[in-house]
Amino acid sequence: KNQVEQSPQSLIILEGKNCTLQCNYTVSPFSNLRWYKQDTGRGPVSLTIMTFSENTKSNGRYTATLDADTKQSSLHITASQLSDSASYICVVTGAGNTGKLIFGQGTTLQVKP
Amino acid sequence: EPEVTQTPSHQVTQMGQEVILRCVPISNHLYFYWYRQILGQKVEFLVSFYNNEISEKSEIFDDQFSVERPDGSNFTLKIRSTKLEDSAMYFCASSETRQQMVGGYTFGSGTRLTVV
Repeated sequence: KNQVEQSPQSLIILEGKNCTLQCNYTVSPFSNLRWYKQDTGRGPVSLTIMTFSENTKSNGRYTATLDADTKQSSLHITASQLSDSASYICVVTGAGNTGKLIFGQGTTLQVKP
Repeated sequence: EPEVTQTPSHQVTQMGQEVILRCVPISNHLYFYWYRQILGQKVEFLVSFYNNEISEKSEIFDDQFSVERPDGSNFTLKIRSTKLEDSAMYFCASSETRQQMVGGYTFGSGTRLTVV
């Protein structure tokens, strides 16, 4: 079954610190992997998107990595800010499908002053 | 920046009533989607729509659900007879292509449906 699993489920860090979120997936065949940020009660907002041939992609303080062989991805947040408090969701698209996204359950990040 | 617009932002309805959730996708996008997120759970795919027909639907999308693109700009999700378990946040999304690689897979802000 195509699944996306994330860890940790939740994380609390101090402002200015770095953190890394993990994602494992079993989706096959695989097309691309995205990381989204979702604020409470809002729609997901795209942070990065990578195909199977890409190992890393950065967007400001966000850096995503992908290992398509082990089916693992990570999202590294540098110099966290209070506004980074949100749910971070790993999302995978299978190849050849109709564009359906398969979501992980998300990691809830809380940045404290 | 282009947006996907959803209305209403919050709808409360009685069990058994019909509801229509509305979405205006980004104008040059060709693929349209509905997702839902029950409180505290992951976002789940409901249906994808292309060329005026459903291209894929999940097992959640049973006969109670239907989608329509009535006028070339709006994309609607209808729930015929709502149940308590339909209470969720419903997200509309659109993309220019099926495997949108450069941004472009854009979500709306959602409609929170509460069935009482």
